[in-house]
Parts: sequence; structure tokens; C-alpha cells
Amino acid sequence: NAGVTQTPKFQVLKTGQSMTLQCAQDMNHNSMYWYRQDPGMGLRLIYYSASEGTTDKGEVPNGYNVSRLNKREFSLRLESAAPSQTSVYFCASNLGTAYSYEQYFGPGTRLTVT
Amino acid sequence: QKEVEQNSGPLSVPEGAIASLNCTYSDRGSQSFFWYRQYSGKSPELIMFIYSNGDKEDGRFTAQLNKASQYVSLLIRDSQPSDSATYLCAGGPLRGSSASKIIFGSGTRLSIRP
Repeated sequence: NAGVTQTPKFQVLKTGQSMTLQCAQDMNHNSMYWYRQDPGMGLRLIYYSASEGTTDKGEVPNGYNVSRLNKREFSLRLESAAPSQTSVYFCASNLGTAYSYEQYFGPGTRLTVT
Repeated sequence: QKEVEQNSGPLSVPEGAIASLNCTYSDRGSQSFFWYRQYSGKSPELIMFIYSNGDKEDGRFTAQLNKASQYVSLLIRDSQPSDSATYLCAGGPLRGSSASKIIFGSGTRLSIRP
């Protein structure tokens, strides 16, 4: 099993450009998450999907949109990139039952906006 | 104020000694706790989770939870240079809850010196 995969691994955008970060998991997990990690800030939740067909805002949703394409895939879109969105983006998933909250992370996407 | 607080470190420990990492949380609704290890440039990796008061041991790692004091710790016995990493503490909901988010602290950087 590949676990959680993310594409691309690295990306450089100019201000105003758009892009979509892709995430897929093969663990039959119900819940999926998008985080950003900045130096000294820890992991901050952008959006999450508790189950297929649902999405909710996290702590820092502004400037982002998400799509839960199916049970396996959860994408994050930046419509008009800004330098403040320079960060490392992690996708995570978990079983999504009431007795399992452990999250498993993908390898991350390093995004630079110039 | 972040809901999960950690000393950012760096915490420097000699090889073979016990490393003690601490975490406090402000939300009494947090009832499940997780420790993640993150090597530089890599994604967080789950190493321990604990739901009940007391100690939980797994190999060289022991997680300790004190809900009355709102305090979680991770002890690493016989510290090795390979333990040098940032350790993230996270708090989640009461087991059995339908909520699915966990909140991360900013992490403590641990350095094991030979």
C-alpha cells in the first residue's frame, strides 16, 4: 500500500496563478485533511472532509477551495496564489470512526509563490 | 492562545539519556492525544497515541497523560542520535465522539548529542 500520496512534490507559482494540489489514499479511510506548515507555526488545518460528500473549513481556509472527488481523493485549489501562501502543504487521512482519530500524512508539497 | 502548547526547544539530551517532552492543553474537551515525530524536510509520523490517564509504553517510548492537570508527556529512553527530530503533540476529541479534528502544537525540537 502506498498510504497517502501527494502531487506535486514541489511547485513554484507567480502571484495570481492558480493550481490544484492532489491527494489520494489507499487505506479505505473516511476522513481526509489539508494542513499547511510554516516555520514556528506548527500544522494548521485548512479544510477537512469527515466523509465522502462533505467538506468543512478549518483554521485557515481563506484563499483555498477543496473538492472531495471520491473516497480516495481530496484536492486543494489555490485560485489566485499569494506570497502568503508559500508553505509546505500536507494531506492526511484517518479511518474516521468514533474510536480512531489517528491521522496519517502524505509526503507534502513545497509551494513557493513569488 | 493555542489550545495545545509545547516548548519549542531545542531540547538537547546526551545519547543514552532519557528525553522528556511536554505538552499542555487548554481544552478540557480534548480527551485523546497523539505524538508525532517529524524529521527535517519530512512529513509527521505517528509514534504514540493515548486515550486514558496514566502511562502507555511502546518500546523506548512512554506516553503519559494527566487529564486533571491537562498535561501530556513523551519519554524517550536510551536516546539515540536518530531520535533527533521535531516532536508534535496533538489533542483530539473524546473517544466515541463524532468530531474528527485534532489540534497540533507547534512542536519541540529535540537534539541528541553523541
